[in-house]
Amino acid sequence: GENVEQHPSTLSVQEGDSAVIKCTYSDSASNYFPWYKQELGKRPQLIIDIRSNVGEKKDQRIAVTLNKTAKHFSLHITETQPEDSAVYFCAARGGFQKLVFGTGTRLLVSP
Amino acid sequence: DAGVIQSPRHEVTEMGQEVTLRCKPISGHDYLFWYRQTMMRGLELLIYFNNNVPIDDSGMPEDRFSAKMPNASFSTLKIQPSEPRDSAVYFCASRPQTGEGEQFFGPGTRLTVL
Repeated sequence: GENVEQHPSTLSVQEGDSAVIKCTYSDSASNYFPWYKQELGKRPQLIIDIRSNVGEKKDQRIAVTLNKTAKHFSLHITETQPEDSAVYFCAARGGFQKLVFGTGTRLLVSP
Repeated sequence: DAGVIQSPRHEVTEMGQEVTLRCKPISGHDYLFWYRQTMMRGLELLIYFNNNVPIDDSGMPEDRFSAKMPNASFSTLKIQPSEPRDSAVYFCASRPQTGEGEQFFGPGTRLTVL
C-alpha cells in the first residue's frame, strides 16, 4: 500500500522567511496530493492540492511542486506570518481512493 | 451546507464502557472516512465507505472497533469495550464520488477513556 513520509517534523522560521516542507510517496499510481493545515484543537483543512498531470501550483503565498519521477512533492510558503503557525500534513491518494497522510510538520513562525 | 457533523464533540468514559461516535457527511458525498488522531501515531485511517458500503477496514485496530453506515446521511463508530489507549480525537470526513473532489473533515470527537 501507499506510504507517505514527511520532513521535517518541526520547522521554526522568522516572520517573513520562507518555509519548505517535503514529502515522498511510494505508490506510483497515486495521482492526487493535497496539503492540509491543522490549527491547535481544530480539524485539518485543505489549503492547496495538486494532481499528477501538473508540476506546480500556486495560490498567493503558497505553492506546491510535484516530481512524479522522484515521487516527491513539496509545500512552499513564502513571506511567512505568525498565523501560518500550525501543523501541516501532506497526503497522497491513488487507485484505492483513500488518502494516506504524512506524519505532519509543526511550523512555528516567530514574530 | 453545514459541513460534516460529528457528535458528541467530547466524550469522557470509563474503561470497559461502550462508546458510540456519530457522523453526518455532507449531503451528496459518496465517500465517508473515519480517522483517529494521536500524538504518537498521527492521522490514521480506520475505515472508509463508498455508497454506504465498507470498502477498507484494514485500519480498524481490533475487534473492539466496529463501524456502520446504515444510510447515506449517517455513520457510527463504536468501541466496545473501551480502553484508555483508545483515547484520541476521532475525525469523520467525506468527499464526493466524482473526480478528485476535496475531502472535508468534521470537527472531531475528543474521546477520553479513564
